[in-house]
Amino acid sequence: KAGVTQTPRYLIKTRGQQVTLSCSPISGHRSVSWYQQTPGQGLQFLFEYFSETQRNKGNFPGRFSGRQFSNSRSEMNVSTLELGDSALYLCASMRTVGVDNEQFFGPGTRLTVL
Amino acid sequence: GENVEQHPSTLSVQEGDSAVIKCTYSDSASNYFPWYKQELGKGPQLIIDIRSNVGEKKDQRIAVTLNKTAKHFSLHITETQPEDSAVYFCAASSSGYSTLTFGKGTMLLVSP
Repeated sequence: KAGVTQTPRYLIKTRGQQVTLSCSPISGHRSVSWYQQTPGQGLQFLFEYFSETQRNKGNFPGRFSGRQFSNSRSEMNVSTLELGDSALYLCASMRTVGVDNEQFFGPGTRLTVL
Repeated sequence: GENVEQHPSTLSVQEGDSAVIKCTYSDSASNYFPWYKQELGKGPQLIIDIRSNVGEKKDQRIAVTLNKTAKHFSLHITETQPEDSAVYFCAASSSGYSTLTFGKGTMLLVSP
């Protein structure tokens, strides 16, 4: 079974630009969550989508947005990039089977803002 | 909101020794506690999880214990091997299993 894929793997942008990151969950997984990982703040929850609807949202400014398509693929967008947005952005897909959760993270997209 | 504290930040052990990583959480409504292993250049990998209706769970060399009264949970790795070297994260969830609050991580180094 193919894992979670994220594209691109690496990105370099300059301040003020915007960026779109993509995530393809494992086939059959309908929930996609996004996390930001930085050395200082660790792993922080951005938002979760389930069946094309945002189900939960973390404490991030409105510059961070996302969406999910009918095939469960998800994108997140960051507008007006700031230096502090440099981070590893991780996507996770999850499916609940009985009492067990299958939750898998992708390899992440490394975003560098110059 | 939820706050998860994780200790220690680094842990060095000899191969074959046991390793214990401890986490505390603040929200008594939290009911799901997963542990992740992250190797360099990779995303976190779910290694074990526990729910608030269970006190202990084992999977081969890995075990997790949960004390709801004290609001803390621990990861135990026995017979450590060099390939166990990685960063380990604990997490807690109180509003659905996909919304996780993570600890800051523990870098485990297992020396041959």
